[in-house]
Amino acid sequence: GQNIDQPTEMTATEGAIVQINCTYQTSGFNGLFWYQQHAGEAPTFLSYNVLDGLEEKGRFSSFLSRSKGYSYLLLKELQMKDSASYLCAVKSSGTYKYIFGTGTRLKVLA
Amino acid sequence: DTGVSQDPRHKITKRGQNVTFRCDPISEHNRLYWYRQTLGQGPEFLTYFQNEAQLEKSRLLSDRFSAERPKGSFSTLEIQRTEQGDSAMYLCASSRLAGAVNEQFFGPGTRLTVL
Repeated sequence: GQNIDQPTEMTATEGAIVQINCTYQTSGFNGLFWYQQHAGEAPTFLSYNVLDGLEEKGRFSSFLSRSKGYSYLLLKELQMKDSASYLCAVKSSGTYKYIFGTGTRLKVLA
Repeated sequence: DTGVSQDPRHKITKRGQNVTFRCDPISEHNRLYWYRQTLGQGPEFLTYFQNEAQLEKSRLLSDRFSAERPKGSFSTLEIQRTEQGDSAMYLCASSRLAGAVNEQFFGPGTRLTVL
């Protein structure tokens, strides 16, 4: 079967660093995406990994280990506006569809 | 750059009625996806179009759901004989056919409430 697991909720303090983990089991692999979704809004693209390693983009970094079926999203210098859900999504090979996790709701406290 | 648009933004209907939603993707995007999202869940894939061809449809999708993209531009999603379980946010996303990343750009969604 195909499955993506993420923690349901996380809380962190403004200015801190937080790591959101994602593990996946899919039939084939053709890329992993992270999206941010504020309450009541559409998801917006954050990052993409298809090869093992770290991709850095400003305050956001994403890591992938294909052999472990594992990714994380690292958010640095947290700001209040980072309070949102963070969705991990995997593109399987041999299909056009993307499988999304349930999302991790991050609360940033002052 | 006008982004992905969806219409209507909200729809309230009675059980048993038919509803149709429209999605206008970013103009140069060949790929178009429909998703359904309920509270506390991630988007659930419904169907995929490449230009005007519907290339994949979720096996979870009942035959009450149908989608079209007649000229490879806008798309419509129709739900016939709506049920209360159809209440959800319906999201449309588009992306380029070419390119290494192929990130999806989501529209604002249509929130459906079935009474």
